Amino acid sequence: SAVISQKPSRDICQRGTSLTIQCQVDSQVTMMFWYRQQPGQSLTLIATANQGSEATYESGFVIDKFPISRPNLTFSTLTVSNMSPEDSSIYLCSVEVRGREQYFGPGTRLTVT
Amino acid sequence: DAKTTQPNSMESNEEEPVHLPCNHSTISGTDYIHWYRQLPSQGPEYVIHGLTSNVNNRMASLAIAEDRKSSTLILHRATLRDAAVYYCIRPYNFNKFYFGSGTKLNVKP
Repeated sequence: SAVISQKPSRDICQRGTSLTIQCQVDSQVTMMFWYRQQPGQSLTLIATANQGSEATYESGFVIDKFPISRPNLTFSTLTVSNMSPEDSSIYLCSVEVRGREQYFGPGTRLTVT
Repeated sequence: DAKTTQPNSMESNEEEPVHLPCNHSTISGTDYIHWYRQLPSQGPEYVIHGLTSNVNNRMASLAIAEDRKSSTLILHRATLRDAAVYYCIRPYNFNKFYFGSGTKLNVKP
């Protein structure tokens, strides 16, 4: 398994600002994923982040809005840019272990006012 | 299409077995079936995964139909801590997860 931490755990931000969310893993992993969970909804994959390459974004998500960094095998960041109230969600990172299983962080609860 | 079909909700009594069904009729021969659960205010938690044969671990058992078009997650003795949303996932593009709406399991004392 893998132990994943995220910072911040929650934040309240003003419209038009940006927030960077950090994801730290206790072991080296190749693949990391970022998800969004809107209030009362299921999880939606935002992008896949592999170390040493550009992040791959899913349909409906773009790099200008959600830039991702993956500087090494244990760390990644997701930035939510130019925020609006519609960005209020829980943002989660996950890592792939043993080529099949994913382990998730506790999430970052973002509220945009 | 990586979508799966699950009942929106199920209810169980504490210490009784629970069978959570999932339909994945368009699954290919190499797609694994994964089950995760999400307790309130937590990230999803890995439960089990399998390809063709039935699988067991300390949390649950996974029964996969012979034609692989459906599967059942079995919790042998439900506890109050098992109350969660259970997701049946068929990855797309090898390792990307599509989370459907899942089954909300309520466990009654």
